[in-house]
Amino acid sequence: AQSVTQPDIHITVSEGASLELRCNYSYGATPYLFWYVQSPGQGLQLLLKYFSGDTLVQGIKGFEAEFKRSQSSFNLRKPSVHWSDAAEYFCAVGARSGGYQKVTFGIGTKLQVIP
Amino acid sequence: NAGVTQTPKFQVLKTGQSMTLQCAQDMNHNSMYWYRQDPGMGLRLIYYSASEGTTDKGEVPNGYNVSRLNKREFSLRLESAAPSQTSVYFCASSETANPSYEQYFGPGTRLTVT
Repeated sequence: AQSVTQPDIHITVSEGASLELRCNYSYGATPYLFWYVQSPGQGLQLLLKYFSGDTLVQGIKGFEAEFKRSQSSFNLRKPSVHWSDAAEYFCAVGARSGGYQKVTFGIGTKLQVIP
Repeated sequence: NAGVTQTPKFQVLKTGQSMTLQCAQDMNHNSMYWYRQDPGMGLRLIYYSASEGTTDKGEVPNGYNVSRLNKREFSLRLESAAPSQTSVYFCASSETANPSYEQYFGPGTRLTVT
């Protein structure tokens, strides 16, 4: 069974600073990896996804993530954070389990941006 | 384009009451899902419907029932609400049940059971 670990529950960064959110997964093969963002009171929105190929993937809102098989990681990065990036970020791993898509979400990392 | 819509947005129930959460999508997706979100636990799958006419249990199905009314609509019913069901409920849809397809989420229903 797959699992996802987001070791940082809460992160605070200054506006304009760089950001890296950590995600580690456990799965026997190469999984489908996702990062979602949830703004307060909203549903989740996909930022980016990785299935295969180039291990550095670009997403919306200036985010990118790098898949590192050797470290079982899929960390999310942004070079310069904006105040509007304050939200909760979820890493997820998708894999076929039986006949359906099983997507396992991490517990989330809440990002606070200070001026 | 509305995407995934959920009603109601907020609900307060007393223990033992029943209610149905409604979900609809207008993207012609085949698969639909119900999750609950609790602090420190991420999102957990309650039930899903891989295609119209089929439903299956997820990780935490106890205390819930679902109906895939048609391709657009997927409802979640609490027959006898319990305080442990206090949570935020999200409906999602995807083009197919293939794990490579992203899921699109509704805005959520915040349910409190007293």
